[in-house]
Amino acid sequence: QKEVEQDPGPLSVPEGAIVSLNCTYSNSAFQYFMWYRQYSRKGPELLMYTYSSGNKEDGRFTAQVDKSSKYISLFIRDSQPSDSATYLCAMSSIGGGSYIPTFGRGTSLIVHP
Amino acid sequence: EPEVTQTPSHQVTQMGQEVILRCVPISNHLYFYWYRQILGQKVEFLVSFYNNEISEKSEIFDDQFSVERPDGSNFTLKIRSTKLEDSAMYFCASSDTSANTEAFFGQGTRLTVV
Repeated sequence: QKEVEQDPGPLSVPEGAIVSLNCTYSNSAFQYFMWYRQYSRKGPELLMYTYSSGNKEDGRFTAQVDKSSKYISLFIRDSQPSDSATYLCAMSSIGGGSYIPTFGRGTSLIVHP
Repeated sequence: EPEVTQTPSHQVTQMGQEVILRCVPISNHLYFYWYRQILGQKVEFLVSFYNNEISEKSEIFDDQFSVERPDGSNFTLKIRSTKLEDSAMYFCASSDTSANTEAFFGQGTRLTVV
């Protein structure tokens, strides 16, 4: 089983829809959970990160972590065409002082007007 | 807004040649990273660097790779003898914490080995 699984999509939604992006993981040592947005031919841009379980909200974005299910989500409310990008989840543990992140493959999101 | 800058944006090199990829991290950041992304695949961690030495490196970062901070602003990745499979996007990132949770990425250098 791969450490971090993420459906590559593409996920196509109409403008204004609520988008749900998800990742599952197998390593129970992961404690930091990050979401990045990557536009075509650009570097990843950090959107949010959470530590351990729970929710975190920032504007139209909400990140959720369910460690018992090893499942994380990113919700985008009132999606806009400018949200069209690839969304990468990443996670890391702090075992032995290591913070090496493991990335998912990314989900391609298309928001059409 | 401060940003990580990388040069060149695209580098084409012949197999066996040495390449140096350059990065200027955000000025007050102390932790520096290199990642790579082979076309269509995951972003992969290569190496982290702090206080003028490597903090961590992945299995990918073998003896063909080296990093250096030659002055107060630049951070470089050298590939000594490039192979076809080194073709990828290489991203530099920097952060002001060791947890790597708020790393800012550059735009990347596309390396093509022919």
